Amino acid sequence: QSALTQPASVSGSPGQSITISCTGTSSDLGSYNLVSWYQQHPGKAPKLMIYEGSKRPSGVSNRFSGSKSANTASLTISGLQAEDEAHYYCCSYAGTNTYVFGTGTKVTVL
Amino acid sequence: EVQLVESGGGLIQPGGSLRLSCAASGFTVSSHYMTWVRQAPGKGLEWVSIIYSGGGAGTYYANFVRGRFIISRDNSKNTLYLQMNSLRPEDTAVYYCARVPVTTDAFDMWGQGTLVTVSS
Repeated sequence: QSALTQPASVSGSPGQSITISCTGTSSDLGSYNLVSWYQQHPGKAPKLMIYEGSKRPSGVSNRFSGSKSANTASLTISGLQAEDEAHYYCCSYAGTNTYVFGTGTKVTVL
Repeated sequence: EVQLVESGGGLIQPGGSLRLSCAASGFTVSSHYMTWVRQAPGKGLEWVSIIYSGGGAGTYYANFVRGRFIISRDNSKNTLYLQMNSLRPEDTAVYYCARVPVTTDAFDMWGQGTLVTVSS
């Protein structure tokens, strides 16, 4: 089980939109529409932001949106705000009752 | 209040064993899938294990812990466990438990984590 590939860092100015990619293989991300995204602030537990590729849990801002095409999933943050500065991780069901996380992306608000 | 609280972490020598606990409140552990995820210091998240709901709860593991770790739950205590044996320095991490709603395959609630340090 190799980790899904994410860019190490993405940055943007307040109000801008940024997109984080998450690339897997045909054995994991490409085979299932079961991608989730997590936000993690330093020293805190992760927080679910997107599930099943594009669904938002109750309470998550609609500035966060997700999509998937073939072996790549994406998380877009619109109207970037200071509190969005955090690490973001994608995660996919990988078959045979296992899961795999992405390598993580640090989002910096300039 | 709905929450998960982990405990049981600490410093352990290589080859030793440790049992982590994850006490749930506000919901029933046996009615949900439950999972463990770990994070080595300064590193990313890594999925460890999952236990399914129901009487014949299936248990599944990441390759790097299969045969060494055992996930279980005690329904009477509403608590999830992770028995970790043959610990290695590379198992050093914060271990999080999380809830997995059966309809989403996502980890919708997390505990605060407990630190396990494997070192001589």
